[in-house]
Amino acid sequence: EVMMTQSPATLSVSPGERATLSCRASQSVNYNLAWYQHKPGQAPRLLIHGVSTRATGVPARFSGSGSGTEFSLTISSLQSEDFAFYYCQQYNNWPPLTFGGGTKVEIK
Amino acid sequence: QVQLQESGPGLVKPSETLSLTCTVSGGSISNFYWSWIRQPPGKALEWIGFIHHSGSTNYNPSLKSRVTISVDTSKNQFSLSLSSVTAADTAVYYCASVTGIYWYFDLWGRGTLVTVSS
Repeated sequence: EVMMTQSPATLSVSPGERATLSCRASQSVNYNLAWYQHKPGQAPRLLIHGVSTRATGVPARFSGSGSGTEFSLTISSLQSEDFAFYYCQQYNNWPPLTFGGGTKVEIK
Repeated sequence: QVQLQESGPGLVKPSETLSLTCTVSGGSISNFYWSWIRQPPGKALEWIGFIHHSGSTNYNPSLKSRVTISVDTSKNQFSLSLSSVTAADTAVYYCASVTGIYWYFDLWGRGTLVTVSS
């Protein structure tokens, strides 16, 4: 099973600042990595797949990068609606498909 | 616009079977793959399994002995059955879809909390 580790667990950022979230895989997942945004009480939302391809309707301030075992999600200028939980997921080696433990982006 | 909605009991007794249904609205279930994912309180998301509209399935090996996912194309629904539940199965359960050729989830339901307790 591929273990996904996200850091930090919580990221405190001021609106307008840049946020960088990390995701590490226990073995190479090539470019088969997705990111999701989740606000409590709402459906999780696909942000990025294939490491860096934004899903339909996702603003350009969200960008993904990395390959192999190290990945990052960057939010270039945080807006109020971006404060949420973020999860990475690998779909290279499965079953099972696996997720990271999440990063909470909170207002500083 | 396709939407997913989970439904089912919010409380299940230990050793019993958890049963949930996901209703697909705004589109046909007769395409793509449909999945269940759960998140225990304070823990990571855990993929449970997939079903194709044809009925073929793929399950998380850690849950495979207790899980059945089925599809009812006439009702545009798919369902989860998890047997012999314990408190460790307490979680928010989400249904989700895979509409591309890669195994990421492009649409999710809001989730439903299921508590296992006597």
